[in-house]
Amino acid sequence: GAGVSQSPRYKVAKRGQDVALRCDPISGHVSLFWYQQALGQGPEFLTYFQNEAQLDKSGLPSDRFFAERPEGSVSTLKIQRTQQEDSAVYLCASSSNLMTVNTGELFFGEGSRLTVL
Amino acid sequence: GQQLNQSPQSMFIQEGEDVSMNCTSSSIFNTWLWYKQDPGEGPVLLIALYKAGELTSNGRLTAQFGITRKDSFLNISASIPSDVGIYFCAGFNSGGSNYKLTFGKGTLLTVNP
Repeated sequence: GAGVSQSPRYKVAKRGQDVALRCDPISGHVSLFWYQQALGQGPEFLTYFQNEAQLDKSGLPSDRFFAERPEGSVSTLKIQRTQQEDSAVYLCASSSNLMTVNTGELFFGEGSRLTVL
Repeated sequence: GQQLNQSPQSMFIQEGEDVSMNCTSSSIFNTWLWYKQDPGEGPVLLIALYKAGELTSNGRLTAQFGITRKDSFLNISASIPSDVGIYFCAGFNSGGSNYKLTFGKGTLLTVNP
């Protein structure tokens, strides 16, 4: 596609529910990132994939957070037993190759806004 | 997690004015980037800086990579209404197994026409 596509754009969940957020990166992009952006804050790194391999998951806040990219294209971020502090915008970003990963130049999606009641 | 110190937090200016914002870090980065985020959108890259002391321009935007590698500033000249948005600095250390950008909290810019 023309850009990084994320769905759903908005999700309201009751505390304790599981949610799944989807990211469609730019076609052919090798690298995929998930960031979490709380209200009034900058994005914070969650995890990084190179093709289907999850090379860094150091930013995932707890074992309730799980991300996958089984075929090296679409990625899903799953949050189990959601808590109110999980409320944030979840941004997906992609990068075409290792060179652009090393330059920090990322293409971000519009984000999925999660509200946990 | 760590976030960079960005100032000011917000700015209200008149169309046509110049704007300056900066970003500082307690640790060194070998790459500094400036992103802009419009409401309901993801951040978009404006300028990337790869060398200490580097001064780079992109149209009305000029950014500099501080000599100490711990700071950067962004200038916008002759502001226009579409400059409205949140500007984020981001630090990055390329190479090795590090892939993450560390962002500041952002500067909210409002331009009065």
